[in-house]
Amino acid sequence: SQQGEEDPQALSIQEGENATMNCSYKTSINNLQWYRQNSGRGLVHLILIRSNEREKHSGRLRVTLDTSKKSSSLLITASRAADTASYFCATDNTDKLIFGTGTRLQVFP
Amino acid sequence: DTAVSQTPKYLVTQMGNDKSIKCEQNLGHDTMYWYKQDSKKFLKIMFSYNNKELIINETVPNRFSPKSPDKAHLNLHINSLELGDSAVYFCASSTGPGNPSQAKNIQYFGAGTRLSVL
Repeated sequence: SQQGEEDPQALSIQEGENATMNCSYKTSINNLQWYRQNSGRGLVHLILIRSNEREKHSGRLRVTLDTSKKSSSLLITASRAADTASYFCATDNTDKLIFGTGTRLQVFP
Repeated sequence: DTAVSQTPKYLVTQMGNDKSIKCEQNLGHDTMYWYKQDSKKFLKIMFSYNNKELIINETVPNRFSPKSPDKAHLNLHINSLELGDSAVYFCASSTGPGNPSQAKNIQYFGAGTRLSVL
């Protein structure tokens, strides 16, 4: 299967703490994206990092990419209860996205 | 206005029936997709259309037939429904794969259709 893997599968933290999710993939990529899915909703694009970039920031989000290790991480700083959701990485191989298995994040107030 | 809308939101039906799910996007995108998300939250692409032409067909049983009457619409018809078809089906759109350096493959998802086959 081409599907990427994410870990942890589930993560529970307190509000204010940081949350780190990791993604590993198998093929070469053009870029890597992170999406969030709230319960019962569709996926929402968060951030995109190109294959020639190593780090990218957007608000409280920080994404890193290591193409030599075929891995990426998503850091959410100062988490809020509203960050509770599933987070998916997706590798872009030109014609389609291949999604990871997802990390379920629970942030307790 | 909802950017990508799909109907119905819920679909409960018996094995063997035929059903359709509709999707419309008002983003002016060229490319639309159907994804299947199973009970473990694995999300897998099924089909992709670019300007009404099929560009991706990911080994989906031929009981599933997508139809794109225009680039703003991509419907999914499923014949002879089976228990294993129960899942959440998502429609999505993007400006298209295009030039990878332009990162045109950011996708906008509908809210999903939860299909339960009894």
